[in-house]
Amino acid sequence: EAGVTQFPSHSVIEKGQTVTLRCDPISGHDNLYWYRRVMGKEIKFLLHFVKESKQDESGMPNNRFLAERTGGTYSTLKVQPAELEDSGVYFCASSQDGGIYGYTFGSGTRLTVV
Amino acid sequence: DAKTTQPPSMDCAEGRAANLPCNHSTISGNEYVYWYRQIHSQGPQYIIHGLKNNETNEMASLIITEDRKSSTLILPHATLRDTAVYYCIVRVLNKAAVNKLTFGGGTRVLVKP
Repeated sequence: EAGVTQFPSHSVIEKGQTVTLRCDPISGHDNLYWYRRVMGKEIKFLLHFVKESKQDESGMPNNRFLAERTGGTYSTLKVQPAELEDSGVYFCASSQDGGIYGYTFGSGTRLTVV
Repeated sequence: DAKTTQPPSMDCAEGRAANLPCNHSTISGNEYVYWYRQIHSQGPQYIIHGLKNNETNEMASLIITEDRKSSTLILPHATLRDTAVYYCIVRVLNKAAVNKLTFGGGTRVLVKP
C-alpha cells in the first residue's frame, strides 16, 4: 500500500509569489488533514477534509491559504501571496476513519520563503 | 483536548528499554492517550494508543496509571533508529468530535550506542 505522498518535497519561493502544495492520501481514505510546523514552533493543525468537504478549517492562519480537495482524492494547499512567516514544513495526513488507529502522515513539504 | 506534559529530552542506551513519561492530569473519561513520534525529516508516525488498559503492539507498550493522570511509553529494546521526538497526545475519540491532533513540544529522545 502506497503511503501519503506529498509534492514537492522542497520549495523555495520569493515573498509575494504563489506556491501550491499537493497531497495524495492513501487510496480509500476519506479523511485528509493538513498540518504545519513553522520555525521553532510546534506542529499545528490547519484543516480537515472528509471526502471533498471541509470538516474543520479552524487552523487556517488567514485568507492567503486556500485548500481544496476536488473529487475527494488528492488535495492542494495554495499560499498566495507567500510571506516570510509561512516558511516551515507542511504535513499532510490521511485516515480511513477518524484516526482511531492513527493517522498516516506524509514526509512533508519544506517551504522556504525568501 | 487535555494538555500533556513531557520532559523536553532524554537519552537512553542502545538495546536498553526507554521509558517515556507523560502527565495528563486533566484528562477526561472519554479521552484516549495517543503516542506519535517524528524521526528527523519525516512526518509524524503513529505508535500506539489506549484508554485505560495497558496496550502493547510491535513497536511499543503503553502503561496508563489507574487514575489515568499519567502514562508511560516503553520502547523495549531501543535502537539508534528510535532517535526521534515523541509526542503524547490526548484526544476524544468519536466521529462527532473534532479529529485534529494537538501536538505539544514532545520529548526529544536520543539513543546512544
